[in-house]
Amino acid sequence: KQEVTQIPAALSVPEGENLVLNCSFTDSAIYNLQWFRQDPGKGLTSLLLIQSSQREQTSGRLNASLDKSSGRSTLYIAASQPGDSATYLCAGGGADGLTFGKGTHLIIQP
Amino acid sequence: ETGVTQSPTHLIKTRGQQVTLRCSSQSGHNTVSWYQQALGQGPQFIFQYYREEENGRGNFPPRFSGLQFPNYSSELNVNALELDDSALYLCASSLGWRTPYGYTFGSGTRLTVV
Repeated sequence: KQEVTQIPAALSVPEGENLVLNCSFTDSAIYNLQWFRQDPGKGLTSLLLIQSSQREQTSGRLNASLDKSSGRSTLYIAASQPGDSATYLCAGGGADGLTFGKGTHLIIQP
Repeated sequence: ETGVTQSPTHLIKTRGQQVTLRCSSQSGHNTVSWYQQALGQGPQFIFQYYREEENGRGNFPPRFSGLQFPNYSSELNVNALELDDSALYLCASSLGWRTPYGYTFGSGTRLTVV
């Protein structure tokens, strides 16, 4: 059974810092790895999708990497802004849908 | 291209009642999956439908059931509601199952059981 762990559970940093969110998974037989953003009480917004054959994806200030052999993915956020404050979830795509971590609650201080 | 839409956005039910939640998939997507997200937790997989058949199920009791229609929209039905069923219910659609193409989520239905 796939298990996904996200570290840290919470993070508070001043505006402008570069930061890294970590995600680990136990079963490397994933079809994809997705990073989502969730604002309080809202649904999930997809940030980046890395297909199983890929190693990384970039969108603006965001960069995500995937290492299936070690069961790890990282989300790098450059030049953080207060609007980046949210919960970030990673999820591995398998035969039975997505398996999520519990998320990293990120606060960017102005 | 329309995204995933869910209805209703909020719902309050009494313990023991039954509830139906609805989801319209993104245009072109033939697979719908449902997730339950309790407060402070990551979403948990309930089940998945591909071309009108359930082809995957998480650790949820049979009182959680669903349907997928020919237009790929879907319903989640929960019978005999319990207080612990209070959660955000999320629907996601994708192009195929076992897919490398990722999932698109709706905004969710907030269910409160009292």
